[in-house]
Amino acid sequence: DAKTTQPPSMDCAEGRAANLPCNHSTISGNEYVYWYRQIHSQGPQYIIHGLKNNETNEMASLIITEDRKSSTLILPHATLRDTAVYYCIFLNRDDKIIFGKGTRLHILP
Amino acid sequence: DAGVIQSPRHEVTEMGQEVTLRCKPISGHNSLFWYRQTMMRGLELLIYFNNNVPIDDSGMPEDRFSAKMPNASFSTLKIQPSEPRDSAVYFCASRVSNGNTIYFGEGSWLTVV
Repeated sequence: DAKTTQPPSMDCAEGRAANLPCNHSTISGNEYVYWYRQIHSQGPQYIIHGLKNNETNEMASLIITEDRKSSTLILPHATLRDTAVYYCIFLNRDDKIIFGKGTRLHILP
Repeated sequence: DAGVIQSPRHEVTEMGQEVTLRCKPISGHNSLFWYRQTMMRGLELLIYFNNNVPIDDSGMPEDRFSAKMPNASFSTLKIQPSEPRDSAVYFCASRVSNGNTIYFGEGSWLTVV
């Protein structure tokens, strides 16, 4: 079973920041939080990951709460091409990687 | 880097036929994963290999499914005999064993009629 909880769907206006939440209350100290997205008809694509500190790359920012039980993926200026299913997972080096249902993000023009 | 390469991209076959899906992981990656995706069940892990050895095949649906990894650069997923309910997108993914990020191929779209 997936170990994360995400809302099934969200809407965001084009040009605005999209904030996607994820609960992972059973995460342990050595497990990373990973975010992937899947655009229709493509394989899942890596976005960003983090352990304890907030992270930022060219695609997104990741905010992890101090207790590490939840995180938020931020797409700072959403475009129509960001419409996809976004998956939050956590794993350590030896885990088999289980995906949940993810959040279907709709970017509205 | 060519990424994870899967073939065929699309296959339509008749019920009862054997189907073989192929995957070439990213060079230097020594963990390989096979996933299946359907609308009803989402993305399911079927099996994964570390250093060519199957580690966990508990996600393989039944004996009609088998997977092999004869060397570090090649893996197959075979369905024999195929059934209409096997229609799905099958993804292969790979990662380095001392890293966490996994990289997916573009998938093999299988339709069994």
